[in-house]
Amino acid sequence: DAGVTQSPTHLIKTRGQQVTLRCSPISGHKSVSWYQQVLGQGPQFIFQYYEKEERGRGNFPDRFSARQFPNYSSELNVNALLLGDSALYLCASSYISGRAGSNEQFFGPGTRLTVL
Amino acid sequence: LAKTTQPISMDSYEGQEVNITCSHNNIATNDYITWYQQFPSQGPRFIIQGYKTKVTNEVASLFIPADRKSSTLSLPRVSLSDTAVYYCLVGDPAYNNAGNMLTFGGGTRLMVKP
Repeated sequence: DAGVTQSPTHLIKTRGQQVTLRCSPISGHKSVSWYQQVLGQGPQFIFQYYEKEERGRGNFPDRFSARQFPNYSSELNVNALLLGDSALYLCASSYISGRAGSNEQFFGPGTRLTVL
Repeated sequence: LAKTTQPISMDSYEGQEVNITCSHNNIATNDYITWYQQFPSQGPRFIIQGYKTKVTNEVASLFIPADRKSSTLSLPRVSLSDTAVYYCLVGDPAYNNAGNMLTFGGGTRLMVKP
């Protein structure tokens, strides 16, 4: 089975531009989370979507938005890019069993965004 | 919000057992503790998860005391390929909501030497 896939793998944008990153979860997984990882730091939670609804949002400005489609794939949009948005953007999918705990997140390889 | 604290770095030698401790003083009742391994330019990879006491799988053990305010990842007989960053994560996707964000620690850079 294919793991979590993300596209594109690398992206270069300039300040002020907009970017859309894409993620396809593991088949059967209905939850997708997005993380931002700045070089040398741990991943920071941005969003979680489950069954096409936002379930959680991290401490990120409104320039960041996301959505989940009926096939459970997801897009992360970032508007008005800043230099500080340069990072590795990670997508993770998980199967929500409906019971407490043990919902392992499987991460994709990430999209490396560089803002010039 | 359960913030986590880990040592920034650790050194070890091949064949040794490595123990990495994570502090999470504000862990919530529904939170689980999960450890991930990350190599450069790759996404994190799940190692182990637990709620309390001890959990063991084929690659690691996780020790959680009764108060759950800390946890220790134990890697038996490490090899050079275990050189990576190890993250402690507190939370549970099943109960994630606006007030229960998934939080990674700063990570521990483990260097295994020959």
